[in-house]
Amino acid sequence: EIVLTQSPGTLSLSPGERATLSCRASQSISSTYLAWYQQKPGQAPRLLIYGASSRATGIPDRFSGSGSGTDFTLTISRLEPEDFAVYYCQQYGSSPRVTFGQGTRLEIK
Amino acid sequence: QVQLQESGPGLVKPSETLSLTCTVSGGSISSYYWSWIRQSPGKGLEWIGYIYYSGGTNYNPSLKSRVTISVDTSKNQFSLRLSSVTAADTAVYYCARMGIGSGWYDGLDYWGQGTLVTVSS
Repeated sequence: EIVLTQSPGTLSLSPGERATLSCRASQSISSTYLAWYQQKPGQAPRLLIYGASSRATGIPDRFSGSGSGTDFTLTISRLEPEDFAVYYCQQYGSSPRVTFGQGTRLEIK
Repeated sequence: QVQLQESGPGLVKPSETLSLTCTVSGGSISSYYWSWIRQSPGKGLEWIGYIYYSGGTNYNPSLKSRVTISVDTSKNQFSLRLSSVTAADTAVYYCARMGIGSGWYDGLDYWGQGTLVTVSS
C-alpha cells in the first residue's frame, strides 16, 4: 500500500503570503496519477491539480503543483482569504487503487 | 454541467446494511469511473471503491468484504451497499466521478455534496 504523508499538519500564514504544502509517498509513483484537492468546512473536496501539475478547470493560476517520484508540492503563490482550507493529496495506483494523504490545514495567522 | 447527488437513509442501525444511491445529471454515466469516498467526523478522506459504467469494480481491501457497488446506466445512477455496519462507519459519504484511462488520470473531478450517515440504535 502506498502511504501519502502530508506536511505540515497545519500551516499558519497571512493573506498575500506564499504557501508551500508537501506530499511524500512511501514509494515512487508516477506523477500522472497524483492529484490535489481543497476542502472547505461543510463542503465536498474540489479538484485543484491533476497529473501533479495540471490545473483543473476554473482553478486560478496562483495554484501550482510540482514534483516527481516520492515528493510532490502544492504551491499557492499569493494567498487569498478564500484559500484557507484543508488540502489533500491523492494518488491512483496500486492496491488500494486510491489513497489520500491525511491533509494539511491552512489557517489564517 | 455534471452534477452528482447522493440519497439514502441518514440513520442506520448497527449490524444492518447501509444503502446509498448517487444520481448523475448533466452528463452520461458512460465512459467514466464512479467512486464512493467517505469522511468520518473531523477526519480525512477514505476511498471505498469505484465502478466502471460497464460494471467492473475495485474496492478498498479494508472494506472489500462488506462493500458492493453497482450501476444502473438506464437511470444514470450508481449505488453503494455496506453491510454489517458499526459506529465506525458513521461518516459523510460522497460520490464522485473519476476520469482515468490508459496512461492518464484527470482526478476526482465532480463530487456530490455528501450525505451524513449515522450508525446508531
